[in-house]
Amino acid sequence: EVQLVESGGGLVQPGGSLRLSCAASGFTFSSFEMTWVRQAPGKGLEWVSYISSSGRTRYYADSVEGRFTISRDNAKNSLSLQMNSLRAEDTAVYYCARVTRGTLDYWGQGTLVPVSS
Amino acid sequence: EIVMMQSPATLSVSPGERATLSCRASQSVSSNLAWYQQKPGQAPRLLIYGASTRATGIPVRFSGSGSGTEFTLTISSLQSEDFAVYYCQQYDVWPPRWTFGQGTKVEIK
Repeated sequence: EVQLVESGGGLVQPGGSLRLSCAASGFTFSSFEMTWVRQAPGKGLEWVSYISSSGRTRYYADSVEGRFTISRDNAKNSLSLQMNSLRAEDTAVYYCARVTRGTLDYWGQGTLVPVSS
Repeated sequence: EIVMMQSPATLSVSPGERATLSCRASQSVSSNLAWYQQKPGQAPRLLIYGASTRATGIPVRFSGSGSGTEFTLTISSLQSEDFAVYYCQQYDVWPPRWTFGQGTKVEIK
């Protein structure tokens, strides 16, 4: 059974940093692209970042470019999102998801990141 | 950026009735269109990819159609568990600048 479990969320002050993790199991992690998607409270879904199966290729939404860094450790079946210079508008539930041909076929349960003083 | 527009924002339907949800893209996305279902407090779940292919385990009452800029998700006979928010997503562009519609909430009439 495919499982994705996010962790690392929590209250952070504006300008602060946070690192999210996503533990993957039930599939060959190193064979799949991965992505992060976020959802602000009561709002829709926003794609945040993408990483190739090898980790060599990474892309970001304009809204987080230069502040967020996606990475993966295929030996540990783990995906991460380092978030710096956080803003109030980054407040959201952050989901990691597996990518198959551009679709997000499995999602984690999400982790909430409130950015507030 | 490709903008995805869903209509209506809210759809009130009685159990057993048909629901038809629309999604329009600001430019052609070919058949690179997916639909997701999200229930309160849960993560989204993939329903349809390639505009019309049901994902694993998705009931046959869910069907997708369309190509280019106009897409439809049809739920043939609504069950109680189908009341949720539905999102469309395009994945036509590379590098990935995947975008979602704003969602359609299907509620009990």
